[in-house]
Order: sequence, then structure tokens, then C-alpha cells
Amino acid sequence: SSELTQDPAVSVALGQTVRITCQGDSLRSYYASWYQQKPGQAPVLVIYGKNNRPSGIPDRFSGSSSGNTASLTITGAQAEDEADYYCNSRDSSGNHGVFGTGTKVTVL
Amino acid sequence: EVQLVESGGGLVQPGGSLRLSCAASGFTVSSNYMSWVRQAPGKGLEWVSVIYSGGSTYYADSVKGRFTISRDNSKNTLYLQMNSLRAEDTAVYYCAREWGYSYGSHFDYWGQGTLVTVSS
Repeated sequence: SSELTQDPAVSVALGQTVRITCQGDSLRSYYASWYQQKPGQAPVLVIYGKNNRPSGIPDRFSGSSSGNTASLTITGAQAEDEADYYCNSRDSSGNHGVFGTGTKVTVL
Repeated sequence: EVQLVESGGGLVQPGGSLRLSCAASGFTVSSNYMSWVRQAPGKGLEWVSVIYSGGSTYYADSVKGRFTISRDNSKNTLYLQMNSLRAEDTAVYYCAREWGYSYGSHFDYWGQGTLVTVSS
């Protein structure tokens, strides 16, 4: 099985830009999807595929990928963006899912 | 409107069994990939299992041989049968609709979760 590694925590000043990274071998073959989770709530999909946002997700959220690293960027972070963020991908077999270790984003 | 509603969680002793249900509305379970994802208290998300539209099933190594994913097409409901439960299975269990494609996958709808506590 594969592992996806994320920084445990990052902070960003209100209105500034923050990038969250996700590293893993499976990302050389599969795009990551990204999820936002606030305390006591179910995860919410924010980015999938090459750089696609579901309906209702603000355009300040964007995704990118290079080699074994996927990134989620929040451009102009808002107070409501404070949450845990998880990446997800398939493992090398293509049939098992794997989540990243999660990044807690604090908006200062 | 797409909705997923889990039920069946609760307190169970180590070694016991529990069956979780996920009732879907707004789409057809059997035409989609459906997954279970869990989250232990204060921990991150962990993928548990998937059932493909064609019926193939896959499991995380941590639950393989103990958990069984299935669906009832007539009830449009997804299930997770959990046997030989351990303390480390304690978590909130989410069902989610998954879209799979050649270059990845994503979970677009999630249920609200149901808490499973394994303790004596």
C-alpha cells in the first residue's frame, strides 16, 4: 500500500496565500483529490482531478501536481477556511484508496 | 438532491459484530462506486472499503477478512458488516459516493457519519 504525507499544520494571515502539499509515490500515477473538514463535520470535497472545483467551492481554492507531489493552494485565505485538509488518491494497485495524514490550517 | 444517511453505530464489546447501513437517495447505489471511510477520535481519515458498480470489492489491510461491504439494490442501501471488532476499530464511519476514473478518483458526497465504539 501507499502512503501520502502532509505537513501537520500551517498558518496563514487573513487574505494571504497558503499552499498545502501531499507527497506519495502513487501521485506519479494518480491525481489527488482534496477534502476540507471542520470540527464535528463530514469532509467536503474541494478539489479533484487536474484542478476541478465542485459547484459551490470558491475559486480561491486551486490544485496542482508535479511528480510525486500534489498541492492545494488557497489564494486570499478567509477565516472560514480554517479547517483540516486531507488529500486522497488511489494506491499503486489502483483499487485501494489512501488518505494523506492531514494538515491543520490556521487563519491568523 | 443526493443524500447519504448512515445508521447502525453503537457500543460493542471486543470480538463482537455490528452492521452499518447507509441509505442513499437522489441516485442509484448500484450504478456507482460506494466507499466506507473511518476516522478514529482525534485522528485522520482512513479508507476502509469500496464496492464497484460491477460488484467487485476491496478492503484496507487493517479490516480485510473481518469486514464485508455489500449493497441491497432494492433498498438503495450500502452496508458494512463488521466482525471480530477490536478497540482500534473505534471510529466515526462515513459512507461516501466515489467517482473512479483512469487517472484517479474522488468522493463527492458523504454521509454525516455513525460512531462505532469498541469497548468492554
